[in-house]
Amino acid sequence: GNSVTQMEGPVTLSEEAFLTINCTYTATGYPSLFWYVQYPGEGLQLLLKATKADDKGSNKGFEATYRKETTSFHLEKGSVQVSDSAVYFCALSSIGGSQGNLIFGKGTKLSVKP
Amino acid sequence: GAVVSQHPSRVICKSGTSVKIECRSLDFQATTMFWYRQFPKQSLMLMATSNEGSKATYEQGVEKDKFLINHASLTLSTLTVTSAHPEDSSFYICSASTGAQPQHFGDGTRLSIL
Repeated sequence: GNSVTQMEGPVTLSEEAFLTINCTYTATGYPSLFWYVQYPGEGLQLLLKATKADDKGSNKGFEATYRKETTSFHLEKGSVQVSDSAVYFCALSSIGGSQGNLIFGKGTKLSVKP
Repeated sequence: GAVVSQHPSRVICKSGTSVKIECRSLDFQATTMFWYRQFPKQSLMLMATSNEGSKATYEQGVEKDKFLINHASLTLSTLTVTSAHPEDSSFYICSASTGAQPQHFGDGTRLSIL
């Protein structure tokens, strides 16, 4: 079945450091891929998405490229800030943009120190 | 952007009581709403999918008589945890979708059963 595997945290970085959170997936067909962010005590917010191979999603300095050949969707940011501290979830949907069923990775907690 | 309001944000109650959680889409009509459960330091687990005017579709292992879902209108879905017990304590998150757009998540409800 479909699944998402992301690197386990927690990840602790200093402000302005480079961030990579790895995400790989297993799916039949052509899933859409997403990164969600969850700040403490809150629900999830969509950070970025990509719906087909080689698409790059970007938002707030974060980027991720849909790599079909490596079944990956790694999240990157060139210079993190303390305000980026949160839990990040990689997810896929096999039902196109409708997201009939989102499958989430286990989440990666990021802590950015000043 | 699209806003989903979830209420209450936190509830503490005695074992044996029933608790109702509301999920409202404030500025769009949600044809589909999803209910998730999140255990500490874990990912979101989909509990059920509900479409307006029809019965919810529950994921395997989720007791439909325990977790009652009502999606009476295009802007409101409710989850009722019946006869709650301490093991039902968790973080419950709803999301809403028009079908063509990404899911928008509520801020979650922290349920604590004493």
